[in-house]
Amino acid sequence: GENVEQHPSTLSVQEGDSAVIKCTYSDSASNYFPWYKQELGKGPQLIIDIRSNVGEKKDQRIAVTLNKTAKHFSLHITETQPEDSAVYFCTSGGGADGLTFGKGTHLIIQP
Amino acid sequence: NAGVTQTPKFRVLKTGQSMTLLCAQDMNHEYMYWYRQDPGMGLRLIHYSVGEGTTAKGEVPDGYNVSRLKKQNFLLGLESAAPSQTSVYFCASSYTTGNQPQHFGDGTRLSIL
Repeated sequence: GENVEQHPSTLSVQEGDSAVIKCTYSDSASNYFPWYKQELGKGPQLIIDIRSNVGEKKDQRIAVTLNKTAKHFSLHITETQPEDSAVYFCTSGGGADGLTFGKGTHLIIQP
Repeated sequence: NAGVTQTPKFRVLKTGQSMTLLCAQDMNHEYMYWYRQDPGMGLRLIHYSVGEGTTAKGEVPDGYNVSRLKKQNFLLGLESAAPSQTSVYFCASSYTTGNQPQHFGDGTRLSIL
């Protein structure tokens, strides 16, 4: 089955700096890569997604990149703000079993 | 539009007791999923359903049963709760599987003593 590795497990950045979270996947058939943000006491919420026919996608301060050849994808958050503090999950999908989640990155924004 | 609603939000059980977690969605989604979330483990799929009346096993199905009698509801049952089932349980739904986003509820926090 699909295997998704996510790094780092914890990331601490100064407010205003950029944050980058990286993931790799194993199944070359995967073609959909959503990212979720989970705030304390809440369920994961979709923040951005990318499909395998696209190399990069941006939405305001958030961008995702995908390298199909290397089987890795990344989340970039620029000009980080306190409300960006949360756990972020990368996921990989495209098969019959739905999405496979990475183990999560705890992003801490230092004031 | 409530999205995905899970009940109860919290529950404490004794070992050996049984209970059912309810998930309801109002988005007319075909697919529904149950996950458990444990520290450092991410989300692991327990069972899922591709439509009313169907269920299938996920990554960690042992000790759980599910039913999808109505399209909008997906029930997760623990017949004989064990301390290893202490976790946060999330339900999700989607239009299709694999290449569409899943919409999550806010979870049920379950402790087994």
